Amino acid sequence: GENVEQHPSTLSVQEGDSAVIKCTYSDSASNYFPWYKQELGKRPQLIIDIRSNVGEKKDQRIAVTLNKTAKHFSLHITETQPEDSAVYFCAALSGNTPLVFGKGTRLSVIA
Amino acid sequence: DAGVIQSPRHEVTEMGQEVTLRCKPISGHNSLFWYRQTMMRGLELLIYFNNNVPIDDSGMPEDRFSAKMPNASFSTLKIQPSEPRDSAVYFCASSFPPGTGELFFGEGSRLTVL
Repeated sequence: GENVEQHPSTLSVQEGDSAVIKCTYSDSASNYFPWYKQELGKRPQLIIDIRSNVGEKKDQRIAVTLNKTAKHFSLHITETQPEDSAVYFCAALSGNTPLVFGKGTRLSVIA
Repeated sequence: DAGVIQSPRHEVTEMGQEVTLRCKPISGHNSLFWYRQTMMRGLELLIYFNNNVPIDDSGMPEDRFSAKMPNASFSTLKIQPSEPRDSAVYFCASSFPPGTGELFFGEGSRLTVL
């Protein structure tokens, strides 16, 4: 089955700097790659996703890139703000099987 | 829609007691998922249902865990007997159509077993 590895597990950045979180997946048939943000004590919520027919997608300060050949995808957050502090999860989907999540990255934005 | 609704939000119980967690998925969603979240293991999929039918329960840790979905608007996750290592946040999530769409999570049920 699918296996998703996520790095780093923790990340600290200064406010205004960029943050990058990387994930790799194992199943070449995976075709949907969402990113979820979980604030402390809250539920995970989708912030952006990308499908395998697209290489990059942007939404204001966040962007995702996908390299199907290398089987990795990344989340980029620019001009980080304190409210970006949270745990971020990547995930991959293959066919009709459930999403497989990475272990998460705890991002701390230092003001 | 009110989103995925879970109850209770918090449960503190003693080892050996039965615990029942409840979930109401978003109306019209035909896939329902139960996840367990801990610091050590992250988000683990326990079981999921499509159209009220359990599809894969390979993530259920032991026979002490069971889940049911008697109809499209209600599911339960039961732990009997509970143990301290079951302490975690249990999330229910729903999606439509199965396997291709966004997962909508409930607020979670924080379980503490003493």
